[in-house]
Amino acid sequence: AQSVTQLGSHVSVSEGALVLLRCNYSSSVPPYLFWYVQYPNQGLQLLLKYTSAATLVKGINGFEAEFKKSETSFHLTKPSAHMRDAAEYFCAVKNAGNMLTFGGGTRLMVKP
Amino acid sequence: NAGVTQTPKFQVLKTGQSMTLQCAQDMNHEYMSWYRQDPGMGLRLIHYSVGAGITDQGEVPNGYNVSRSTTEDFPLRLLSAAPSQTSVYFCASTPDRATDTQYFGPGTRLTVL
Repeated sequence: AQSVTQLGSHVSVSEGALVLLRCNYSSSVPPYLFWYVQYPNQGLQLLLKYTSAATLVKGINGFEAEFKKSETSFHLTKPSAHMRDAAEYFCAVKNAGNMLTFGGGTRLMVKP
Repeated sequence: NAGVTQTPKFQVLKTGQSMTLQCAQDMNHEYMSWYRQDPGMGLRLIHYSVGAGITDQGEVPNGYNVSRSTTEDFPLRLLSAAPSQTSVYFCASTPDRATDTQYFGPGTRLTVL
């Protein structure tokens, strides 16, 4: 069965600093991987997805993620954090039933 | 398109009460699903459906029932609410098996006293 693990339930950065949110996956087949963002009191919005094409995936709002098979990782990055990036971020993997298995989430806090 | 809609937004129940969380989508999506969100555990799949008349269990199905009589609607029933079912519930849909992106509703926050 596919699974994902997010390292760090809370990450705090200063505005303008690099954002790095970590996700490692476990899968016996080539995985389809996703990052979703949840702003306060809202539903989930797709940031980006990896579906076995390019290993570097660019998403919305300046975020990108790199699929590294050798490290079983799919970390999310953004060069310069904005206050509006404060939210909870979820890594997910598509499972056999076409549903998603989520990691525990990482809450990103951005300090002025 | 309204997308995926959920009602109610908030609900408080007493232990043992029953209720139905409503989910509807107007995008003619075949696949629909219910997740619950709990702190530190991400979202966990409760039940899902791959088309009208077809449902299956997810990771945490106990205490919940679903049915899919139409393509548009996928209600989630709590038969006898328990405090452990206090959570935020999200409904999601996707057009078909080949499509990767899931579209999420705004959620229902349920408290069971």
